[in-house]
Amino acid sequence: DAGVIQSPRHEVTEMGQEVTLRCKPISGHDYLFWYRQTMMRGLELLIYFNNNVPIDDSGMPEDRFSAKMPNASFSTLKIQPSEPRDSAVYFCASSTGPRDTGELFFGEGSRLTVL
Amino acid sequence: AQSVAQPEDQVNVAEGNPLTVKCTYSVSGNPYLFWYVQYPNRGLQFLLKYITGDNLVKGSYGFEAEFNKSQTSFHLKKPSALVSDSALYFCAVRDIDTDKLIFGTGTRLQVFP
Repeated sequence: DAGVIQSPRHEVTEMGQEVTLRCKPISGHDYLFWYRQTMMRGLELLIYFNNNVPIDDSGMPEDRFSAKMPNASFSTLKIQPSEPRDSAVYFCASSTGPRDTGELFFGEGSRLTVL
Repeated sequence: AQSVAQPEDQVNVAEGNPLTVKCTYSVSGNPYLFWYVQYPNRGLQFLLKYITGDNLVKGSYGFEAEFNKSQTSFHLKKPSALVSDSALYFCAVRDIDTDKLIFGTGTRLQVFP
């Protein structure tokens, strides 16, 4: 199994630009999570989906952030417009269900730098 | 609300010595506890979990964790540290109300040759 696949691995953009991060979960996993990691705030859960439906987006920082999961094999996290404080590593993770095991499988992350 | 605390930002240990990375938890009801490891420029990897049963849980790479209900702790241990164990370690608890995994702030383990 290829694991959770994220793209791009690195993104450098200028303030005000739109950023789209992509994630392909492990096949058969029906939960998908987006996390953000920074030195100051640690690991934050932004949003998670169950069977492609957003369940909890209370961690999304503001309206500039949006996430979609059009099908079971693809999700996007979009930031529009981006700001320097959005600079972080964004992780996607998937699982068969936290109620079953709680084991999440993480992608390698997308490191975003907003200048 | 469920939470975990990792009181040490960094732990230093010599190769071959035993290591302990501390975690305490605060939950209502039975805790579902986890340890994850993050190597540089990588995503988090699952190490082990406690759901129920034996208080000593064995996981990947020779790690184990001891669940202690009276002390509300779930410390990660390894009898003999390797330089390759140097990484960032996260304790986590599953929030039974929301099913979210709540991560601690992480502890950086540095193993010196």
